[in-house]
Amino acid sequence: EAQVTQNPRYLITVTGKKLTVTCSQNMNHEYMSWYRQDPGLGLRQIYYSMNVEVTDKGDVPEGYKVSRKEKRNFPLILESPSPNQTSLYFCASSPVQGGAHEQYFGPGTRLTVT
Amino acid sequence: AQSVTQLDSQVPVFEEAPVELRCNYSSSVSVYLFWYVQYPNQGLQLLLKYLSGSTLVKGINGFEAEFNKSQTSFHLRKPSVHISDTAEYFCAVKRGGSNYKLTFGKGTLLTVNP
Repeated sequence: EAQVTQNPRYLITVTGKKLTVTCSQNMNHEYMSWYRQDPGLGLRQIYYSMNVEVTDKGDVPEGYKVSRKEKRNFPLILESPSPNQTSLYFCASSPVQGGAHEQYFGPGTRLTVT
Repeated sequence: AQSVTQLDSQVPVFEEAPVELRCNYSSSVSVYLFWYVQYPNQGLQLLLKYLSGSTLVKGINGFEAEFNKSQTSFHLRKPSVHISDTAEYFCAVKRGGSNYKLTFGKGTLLTVNP
């Protein structure tokens, strides 16, 4: 089954404790992206990647890091989480070729930072 | 830069009534338009998309949307809603060309009451 998976689905952590949220897709998509969803603000892009070793900042990159060492994986790293990073996070992927254009989303990771 | 405005943050309706969720976008170049649905505690699922051609687009679950270039709108409609349509709906725009960024509206919560 074609899908985007994220782990963990739920995470409660404390301020300053480094964490990684994993994202993996099995559709051989070149483009991958991370979003955060906050009430009343919709989805905002954190980082994106056009292909392996090619990443760039989105609209709200502060406090986050990403890497793209393999085509299928795009982990999101919070080196020193703070309470304002409490949010619902989504990973998405999309093919670059073929004109499909739409992004496929993972199930989400709900992060709480205390 | 493009932006998306969803004019209603909440839309309550009764079962079997028609519904329209409004979306306006701003962009000076050609765009692709999408509606996504998010059911409670789930990720985003594509409802429909406009890439080119006919301005009336049909999607899943009986939804349709009409692209109006002169009014820069992409309103979502359903002639008769069900309880199961209760969800949050997001309008999104992607600029034409090699830019793969999706810009989302803030979402409209559709609540269908019996």
